[in-house]
Amino acid sequence: EPEVTQTPSHQVTQMGQEVILRCVPISNHLYFYWYRQILGQKVEFLVSFYNNEISEKSEIFDDQFSVERPDGSNFTLKIRSTKLEDSAMYFCASSEDLAGKSYNEQFFGPGTRLTVL
Amino acid sequence: AQKVTQAQTEISVVEKEDVTLDCVYETRDTTYYLFWYKQPPSGELVFLIRRNSFDEQNEISGRYSWNFQKSTSSFNFTITASQVVDSAVYFCALSEARNSGNTPLVFGKGTRLSVIA
Repeated sequence: EPEVTQTPSHQVTQMGQEVILRCVPISNHLYFYWYRQILGQKVEFLVSFYNNEISEKSEIFDDQFSVERPDGSNFTLKIRSTKLEDSAMYFCASSEDLAGKSYNEQFFGPGTRLTVL
Repeated sequence: AQKVTQAQTEISVVEKEDVTLDCVYETRDTTYYLFWYKQPPSGELVFLIRRNSFDEQNEISGRYSWNFQKSTSSFNFTITASQVVDSAVYFCALSEARNSGNTPLVFGKGTRLSVIA
């Protein structure tokens, strides 16, 4: 069964460093998402991406964040200058784009745990 | 604005007891979707159920059952005869329905369930 994959599973970085979190969505999916979960808290939407541009973003997704689909398979989240409060689990998700459906299910990856020291 | 409230932060039960996890939601949309996800200690998000706002029928899947009541904006989740493997954080989530079929999920803060042997 196809699944969303994310690498690395755990990333440790120093405050101020740039990090890139990688996701490989399910191959025929066209919508991609990033969500964040600070330890012990709820899962929060960051951004959605469709047709090579941001479709929607939350207030959390500020100028420190960017997303990219650098090739036909990867979807990345970049944090330019990490802060301590960026420590969290980051989940990637993808969904199809089936015309006429009022909902296309999002399939979540296993997450990348980011630790900023 | 959409909001999901899970008032129970933590619940502890003894194995074989039944337990109900509460979820109350707010939305101005007439068409929306409700979800439950399980997050075991390993951290991934496991999809349990999706319910359309037009379908108020209760659903049962093995030891799991869901009670959707539009009149009280609630979507409660009951585990019958709980087992230690049910120990996890459970998230309720909400998504509006759109023509594009791809919308962010709004999660509650989660309920941590501990099942004691």
